Amino acid sequence: QTVVTQEPAFSVSPGGTVTLTCSLTSEPVAVVHYCSWYKQTPGQPPRTLIYKTTSRSSGVPDRFSGSILGNKAALTITGAQADDDSVYFCALYLGGGGFVFGGGTKVTVL
Amino acid sequence: QVQLQESGPGLVKPSETLSLTCTVSGAPLGSGTDYWTWIRQPAGKGLEWIGRIYSSEYTFFNPSLASRVNMSVDTSKNQFSLSLTSVTAADTALYYCARENWADTHFDYWGQGVQVTVSS
Repeated sequence: QTVVTQEPAFSVSPGGTVTLTCSLTSEPVAVVHYCSWYKQTPGQPPRTLIYKTTSRSSGVPDRFSGSILGNKAALTITGAQADDDSVYFCALYLGGGGFVFGGGTKVTVL
Repeated sequence: QVQLQESGPGLVKPSETLSLTCTVSGAPLGSGTDYWTWIRQPAGKGLEWIGRIYSSEYTFFNPSLASRVNMSVDTSKNQFSLSLTSVTAADTALYYCARENWADTHFDYWGQGVQVTVSS
């Protein structure tokens, strides 16, 4: 079974920078996995921040950026704000046509 | 603007079948141009992709659930449905329906989710 791994938690100071990663146990993450990143606040469904590894969704602030770092997909928040205190999930598209989500990273801004 | 709304029983007994419906507005399911998916989330945990239906009849399911899952579309009501058989407590979760943007490969519209508990 394919497993996608994310860091469980990060803490960042207001104005600081944090990079979350998303990795596969079986192979390096690449652009063919079309990584997407979602932000979820309590009681709400996830909302897309990044799709196709690097494309920012409409209305998403440019302090959010996506990339490939080594063999992982990454989401970087540059200049963190209080509103970024949330849980972030990545999703990877697998060659067979399905998706696998990571377990999520809780980002605390303090 | 595309909107989705899940509905169905909040409580299902073990070994029975979970059945949920997603009502879509703003996008005709019969057009065949969109992918419609189900995703679930156990309380306090991550997301699990269940599967998709597209062109009203073609389906693709998570291999870990494929033996128990089915999906269908009712174009007259603009709804699509999820059926999950032989449920256990492990199937207790918040179930979301969502639109999979096939061109950009992400889930761009979501319902608010419906909580389903499996318990006798």
